[in-house]
Amino acid sequence: GDSVTQMEGPVTLSEEAFLTINCTYTATGYPSLFWYVQYPGEGLQLLLKATKADDKGSNKGFEATYRKETTSFHLEKGSVQVSDSAVYFCALSDRTPDTGNQFYFGTGTSLTVIP
Amino acid sequence: DGGITQSPKYLFRKEGQNVTLSCEQNLNHDAMYWYRQDPGQGLRLIYYSQIVNDFQKGDIAEGYSVSREKKESFPLTVTSAQKNPTAFYLCASSIVASGYNEQFFGPGTRLTVL
Repeated sequence: GDSVTQMEGPVTLSEEAFLTINCTYTATGYPSLFWYVQYPGEGLQLLLKATKADDKGSNKGFEATYRKETTSFHLEKGSVQVSDSAVYFCALSDRTPDTGNQFYFGTGTSLTVIP
Repeated sequence: DGGITQSPKYLFRKEGQNVTLSCEQNLNHDAMYWYRQDPGQGLRLIYYSQIVNDFQKGDIAEGYSVSREKKESFPLTVTSAQKNPTAFYLCASSIVASGYNEQFFGPGTRLTVL
């Protein structure tokens, strides 16, 4: 079945450091891929998405490229800020004739950025 | 503004009581979902519904029940059969027909059993 594996946390970085959070996936079809962000005590917000191979999703300085050959969707940001401290979830959406739309989430990676 | 609302934000329950969490969306989405999140953990799917008057169990449905009488509403009842209900509950919705669309999340309800 489909699944998402993402980098274990927690991750602690200094302000302006480079961020990479690894995400790999297994899918039977042709999924869409997403990164969500969750701030303390809140729901998940969509950060970026990519719907087909080689697409690059980007938002607020974050980027991720859908790599079909390596089944990966790694999240990157060139210079993190304290306000980026949150939990990041990698997710995929796949559709099968039997089950319709199915979503699969990674376990989340906690990021803390220190001044 | 379109979105998903969950109420209440905080809920306290005594052991042995049933409690219902509200989830409403005005996005005209077909599908709705309930997730449970424990501290430092990921999301676990409780129930989902892809159409009115139909719903399916997720990975951890025991001790929970849902209804989907209206497209906009998907309430979750945490019953006394749920042994450890203290958690953060998240409701989400998505479009079904066009496939491959993201889920939109509500702000969550934090349930504490006293």
